[in-house]
Amino acid sequence: DAGITQSPRHKVTETGTPVTLRCHQTENHRYMYWYRQDPGHGLRLIHYSYGVKDTDKGEVSDGYSVSRSKTEDFLLTLESATSSQTSVYFCAISAGLAGGSTDTQYFGPGTRLTVL
Amino acid sequence: AQSVTQPDIHITVSEGASLELRCNYSYGATPYLFWYVQSPGQGLQLLLKYFSGDTLVQGIKGFEAEFKRSQSSFNLRKPSVHWSDAAEYFCAVGMDSSYKLIFGSGTRLLVRP
Repeated sequence: DAGITQSPRHKVTETGTPVTLRCHQTENHRYMYWYRQDPGHGLRLIHYSYGVKDTDKGEVSDGYSVSRSKTEDFLLTLESATSSQTSVYFCAISAGLAGGSTDTQYFGPGTRLTVL
Repeated sequence: AQSVTQPDIHITVSEGASLELRCNYSYGATPYLFWYVQSPGQGLQLLLKYFSGDTLVQGIKGFEAEFKRSQSSFNLRKPSVHWSDAAEYFCAVGMDSSYKLIFGSGTRLLVRP
């Protein structure tokens, strides 16, 4: 298994509060991704990073921000959580030798977030 | 727009029976194709991938998939299903010069004893 951990694994929060999810890797991979998984939608990309301090938006980035100050950590922040952000969040990494989506992505165990 | 379709939301098969899960994609060039499996409460595990070359790809756990360009398909197969194969299966497409993987909505496999 790829060395990816996510914390917390479960979180319940209230509408309007800030939330930060952490993804940590021990593989020294260049590319990191945040996805959300919702029934009937598969996984959808929120943000991704192609290096320290290099990030870009995915298809469902509204309401989310990210930061990557170290190779091993990629943080996802919900500035003001809403009920529509209740979801399971997955982090993924890839070595990116040939480019992000042409390289295999490996996934973390997920964080289940509930916004009341 | 690029898309991935998994037409079967649920499939139920008997243990020992063969399995085929369908995946169709929409993309103008040669795609990079993946199948992932997700057990309940777990992350996604890579089963197999196709980048180029032989269109029949072997993966882990006895799975294989065949890329058919003319049908824009990448169907997953297994000759004999085991109860432990019950899970959700996701097909995904990666496109050159993009960092994005596009996932299908998944097929949940149920295995009858």
